Amino acid sequence: GESVGLHLPTLSVQEGDNSIINCAYSNSASDYFIWYKQESGKGPQFIIDIRSNMDKRQGQRVTVLLNKTVKHLSLQIAATQPGDSAVYFCAENIGRDDKIIFGKGTRLHILP
Amino acid sequence: DVKVTQSSRYLVKRTGEKVFLECVQDMDHENMFWYRQDPGLGLRLIYFSYDVKMKEKGDIPEGYSVSREKKERFSLILESASTNQTSMYLCASSLAREGWGYTFGSGTRLTVV
Repeated sequence: GESVGLHLPTLSVQEGDNSIINCAYSNSASDYFIWYKQESGKGPQFIIDIRSNMDKRQGQRVTVLLNKTVKHLSLQIAATQPGDSAVYFCAENIGRDDKIIFGKGTRLHILP
Repeated sequence: DVKVTQSSRYLVKRTGEKVFLECVQDMDHENMFWYRQDPGLGLRLIYFSYDVKMKEKGDIPEGYSVSREKKERFSLILESASTNQTSMYLCASSLAREGWGYTFGSGTRLTVV
C-alpha cells in the first residue's frame, strides 16, 4: 500500500557538519516529493520539493536527492546550524489528486 | 504574507462535548485539509475539501465531520469528543490539484478530559 517512512526517528549532528535525513517510499506511482520542517510549536513549513523526472534539486543549504530505482529520498543540509533543529517530514504525492502522504518524521538534534 | 490561521492554539474539552476547530486561509486556495499529529504516527489525514460545500474522507474520518461553507474557511467538528481524540490538529491549504506543497497553520492542541 501507500506509505512513506523514515529510517531513523532521531538524528544528532555536530553544529557545522552536514546532515543527511533519509526517507523511503513504497508507491512507484508517486511523482512529486516534498520535505517539510516543523519547529517546536509550529506547523510544518515547506523546505524543498522535487518531481520524479529529476534526480537532484538544490536550494539554499539544502539538497534533495531522489533515487527512483530503490524508492529513496534524502534531504541534505549543509553546515548545520542550531536553527535547523526540528522534525523533518518527507511527503509524497501521486498526482491524481492533491492528497499528500506524510512520513512519520525524523528529529534533527544539533550538538554544540 | 500568506497565512493559514487556526482559531485556537490550545483547547481543553470534556468527553462528550461537541468541538469546533476553525481554520481560515487568505490565499484563495481551492484545497483545504485537516490532519492530526500524534507522536510516532506522524500526520494523518482526517478530511479534505477541493471546493466550497465539498468534502472527502481522509484516512481516519471516524468521529469527525467537516464544513466548508466558504472558500476561505474549513471547520473540523468532533461530534462527541473522546479522550482518544486528544491530539495536535493541523489545517493546511494548497492552490490546486497539481501536487503543490501545502501551507500549514500553527496547529491546535486539543485535550479531551
